Order: sequence, then structure tokens, then C-alpha cells
Amino acid sequence: SAVISQKPSRDICQRGTSLTIQCQVDSQVTMMFWYRQQPGQSLTLIATANQGSEATYESGFVIDKFPISRPNLTFSTLTVSNMSPEDSSIYLCSVPAVGNEKLFFGSGTQLSVL
Amino acid sequence: GENVEQHPSTLSVQEGDSAVIKCTYSDSASNYFPWYKQELGKGPQLIIDIRSNVGEKKDQRIAVTLNKTAKHFSLHITETQPEDSAVYFCAASIKSGANSKLTFGKGITLSVRP
Repeated sequence: SAVISQKPSRDICQRGTSLTIQCQVDSQVTMMFWYRQQPGQSLTLIATANQGSEATYESGFVIDKFPISRPNLTFSTLTVSNMSPEDSSIYLCSVPAVGNEKLFFGSGTQLSVL
Repeated sequence: GENVEQHPSTLSVQEGDSAVIKCTYSDSASNYFPWYKQELGKGPQLIIDIRSNVGEKKDQRIAVTLNKTAKHFSLHITETQPEDSAVYFCAASIKSGANSKLTFGKGITLSVRP
């Protein structure tokens, strides 16, 4: 399985500010995924970060709110923009295994917005 | 789209007893069913998975069973230990070409009493 490093591990932010979360993988991967896990809730896919093209966003998520960068095959960032308390969640980076459906997750970023 | 349900939301067992966690899914085309364990402050960890061409799979103290007719699958943990205490998520996906998208249940909190 891939080793996925995510930072920061947690942050407390003020309303109206933005936070950029970084995800680094120890091997080259075609796709990287960003998930949100709201308190006591399931994991919801925000977007797929594709190297060399625009990210693909799921219904309910937009690029202006969650801009994503994917400069190479081992790194991606997710920015949570103009934050409100409703954005308080765990944000998770994940990558698929090569050749099958297995999905591996980073350790997550616990975000609290005051 | 796919809908995955997990019930109940919490489960408490005595150390050494078995724990069974059940999930149902809605899309009969789903063909891959992973289970994840999430400990406090960590990202979800894949612990076992099963594909639709298999009815049961075991890995030491954990096993997963799949009933395609009833569209439900279960995680079985035998000889539970305190370190099994965590949130467990089930998921389902349909593999289509190179793409597959996981839909997660809401998770169940398992507590193992010493």
C-alpha cells in the first residue's frame, strides 16, 4: 500500500480565512481523491485530483470553495476557502491501489472553524 | 446512485466475544465491498474486502460475508480485544473500466469492554 502523508494534521481557523491542506504520496499515482468527513458522518467524496487537468468535483462541491492543485503525480493540495463553522470536518486525501479498487487514506486533517 | 446503510450506529461487546456489523446496499451492480477501521485521530484503514464473485473471506480474526440476493454484507470479528475499539465503515462500489467510486456507510462505533 502507498504511504500517504497529509499536513497539517489539525488546525483551528477563523471564519472567512482559507486553509491549504497538502497530500504527499510515496509513489506516482494517476488519481488522488479528497474526502470530507463531517462529525459523526460518513466519508463524502469532494473531488478527484487529476494530474495535468482540472479536478473533477462531485455534486455539491465547487472549485471556488475547494480549489485543488495537482502539480505532479505524487502531490496534491486542497484549499478550503472563505471558511465558516460548517466547514469544520476531517479532510482526507486518498489514493487507489494500482490495478484494483482498493483505496488507501492519509491520516487526515482535523479542521475546526471558529 | 448507490446507497449504503449501516445499523446500528454503536455496538458494545465484552472482550473475547464476537462482533458482527451489517451493511446493506441498494445497487445490485455493485461488485466490490471493503471494510475500513478508523481509530481516533487517524485516517480509515482498509482491513478486509470482498468482491461479488466470492461469498466469504477470512483474515485471522476478521471475516466478511456477502449475500448478493439480499444485498447485504457483514463484518465478523471473533475474540474481540480492546484494540478492536474503533469506528468501522463499510462501502460499496461498481468498477467500470478504470474507474470505480466508493459509497460509504455512516460508520459504526465498536466498543470492546475489558
